[in-house]
Amino acid sequence: AQTVTQSQPEMSVQEAETVTLSCTYDTSESDYYLFWYKQPPSRQMILVIRQEAYKQQNATENRFSVNFQKAAKSFSLKISDSQLGDAAMYFCAYITGAQKLVFGQGTRLTINP
Amino acid sequence: NAGVTQTPKFRILKIGQSMTLQCTQDMNHNYMYWYRQDPGMGLKLIYYSVGAGITDKGEVPNGYNVSRSTTEDFPLRLELAAPSQTSVYFCASSPGGEEVHTRRGYTFGSGTRLTVV
Repeated sequence: AQTVTQSQPEMSVQEAETVTLSCTYDTSESDYYLFWYKQPPSRQMILVIRQEAYKQQNATENRFSVNFQKAAKSFSLKISDSQLGDAAMYFCAYITGAQKLVFGQGTRLTINP
Repeated sequence: NAGVTQTPKFRILKIGQSMTLQCTQDMNHNYMYWYRQDPGMGLKLIYYSVGAGITDKGEVPNGYNVSRSTTEDFPLRLELAAPSQTSVYFCASSPGGEEVHTRRGYTFGSGTRLTVV
């Protein structure tokens, strides 16, 4: 069974600094997708970034980038120039062949002004 | 487009009561899902559907039932509510195929906060 593990329940960073959120996963599939979702206090699930496993190049979306290490089954999220609006729960997720999302436990990110 | 609409947004149930959480989508998506999110945790799949008339269990189906009579609607039924069902419930939909991996893929509703007392 696929599993996703986020080992950091909480993280904090100073505004304008850089923070990295960790995620590891377990799968026997060779081709798959990984996602980072942001959940602000409004509860809305917002897709931040996605990575295709067969692509070696790390995905980047503006201030958000990932470090995808396929052999190590690691998928970390780096947020550069942190802003107050980045404060939220962040979930790492894996999509199965049956198109079901498997989520990690989440990391609560606090931005200190 | 309204996307995925869930009702109600909040509900308090007494132990043993029953209720139906409504979910409707207007994107003509084939796939629909119900997830629950316990406090401080990630989302877990309850049930999903790949099309009208087809449903299947997810990771945590006990205590719930679903039906999918139309493409648009995917209600979740709670029978004999228990405190362990206190959670936030999310409905989601996706078009299936390769598009599920794109930003037009998974679309989540805004959630229903359910408390069982």
